[in-house]
Parts: sequence; C-alpha cells; structure tokens
Amino acid sequence: AQKITQTQPGMFVQEKEAVTLDCTYDTSDPSYGLFWYKQPSSGEMIFLIYQGSYDQQNATEGRYSLNFQKARKSANLVISASQLGDSAMYFCAMREYMDSNYQLIWGAGTKLIIKP
Amino acid sequence: DSGVTQTPKHLITATGQRVTLRCSPRSGDLSVYWYQQSLDQGLQFLIQYYNGEERAKGNILERFSAQQFPDLHSELNLSSLELGDSALYFCASSATGDTQYFGPGTRLTVL
Repeated sequence: AQKITQTQPGMFVQEKEAVTLDCTYDTSDPSYGLFWYKQPSSGEMIFLIYQGSYDQQNATEGRYSLNFQKARKSANLVISASQLGDSAMYFCAMREYMDSNYQLIWGAGTKLIIKP
Repeated sequence: DSGVTQTPKHLITATGQRVTLRCSPRSGDLSVYWYQQSLDQGLQFLIQYYNGEERAKGNILERFSAQQFPDLHSELNLSSLELGDSALYFCASSATGDTQYFGPGTRLTVL
C-alpha cells in the first residue's frame, strides 16, 4: 500500500491564484513528520515546509502553508498568490521511525504549471 | 544554497565504465543520503550513512556502492554502467531525524 499519495499528477493554475496540492499519508507511527519539496526544471530539490505530527498549528513559510488534517491523514500544501516561478514538481514526503532509523517516504510528485 | 555540495555537476560516460560521485554534507550534519531520479520519475532512495557507518539501504544495485569518510564527505561509486543508469543522482544531508537538505545533483549520462 502506498504510504504517501499525491493524487494530482499535474495541475494548471492561473497566475496570482491560490494553489492546493494534495498529499495523503498512512502511518502507524505516532511521531512522524511531513515535508514538502519543490523541484524546478533546473533540477535542484528545495525544501519548502515541515509539519510535525504533534504540532498544534499548521506550518507556514512565507507564501507556503501546510493544511494539516491529522484525522484525515492529509497534509496539503497551499501556495498563496501563485507566481510563474512556482512552476515546478512538488513532492510530499513523510518521515517515520522504522528499524531504529528515521526514514523518508516520498510521494510521486505533482507537476504544477502556472499560466500567465 | 542548501550547503550541500556535489561534484561533478554533469558526467557523461560510456556503458561498462565506472564513475564516482562526491558529496559534502552541510556543516554539522552526520547523515548522508543518496537518491536516484530517472527522467520524469520520483526519487528512489539508494543508501544512507550516519557518521561513517551504513544506516539504511534502499533500492541500491549491487553494481553501486557508497562510503562515508571520517571528514563526513561521501562517495557513490557506480560500476559496469548501463544505459538505464542515466539519471540525476542527489545527495542529501541532515542532522539526526531532521530535514534533509539536498545538493544540486549530478546528472549522469551513459552513452
């Protein structure tokens, strides 16, 4: 079974609109973490935002926020006021503790294209 | 700039050859991870080192090996290269259990 699911392989969004990228996860570890990374066409992998399973507040970093719904096991990334430079692949990842080690499980990614 | 460095940035080689990819982690990070990303694919975890010791293994082929040195830099060795090994290879580093920060990647092309 998939531990991290990103159901949107691709999205087109008009510039300046808000974007929500979906991510659902599955874990039995009570202490886990959720991450979002951005990969522009240039290839680098850029860390965007982190949410811990015990965090009471949704994480925010500038125009990025994480809509964390623990009961639904979802951790959607919200980008406000999208810009052309937001066009990229976005990966959701979950950190869980397994076999005496922290492991990062990756989603398949969502390709976001911002239209001018 | 994540603070993780990788060399070389690009590598073009022939089938059957052997190459070495190098990674220097962020200052203070003891964990190093190697990932492979084939064209338009997600990330495949290869291997993790922590303070010089192998900590976790993913989908790493027997033709591939890695090590982490006392100064914490790491090398990924790829041998008997095949066309299908062409990919972007990332190194990431982290403090224990913390956010992984990625290097710029090495783009390997096997001809």
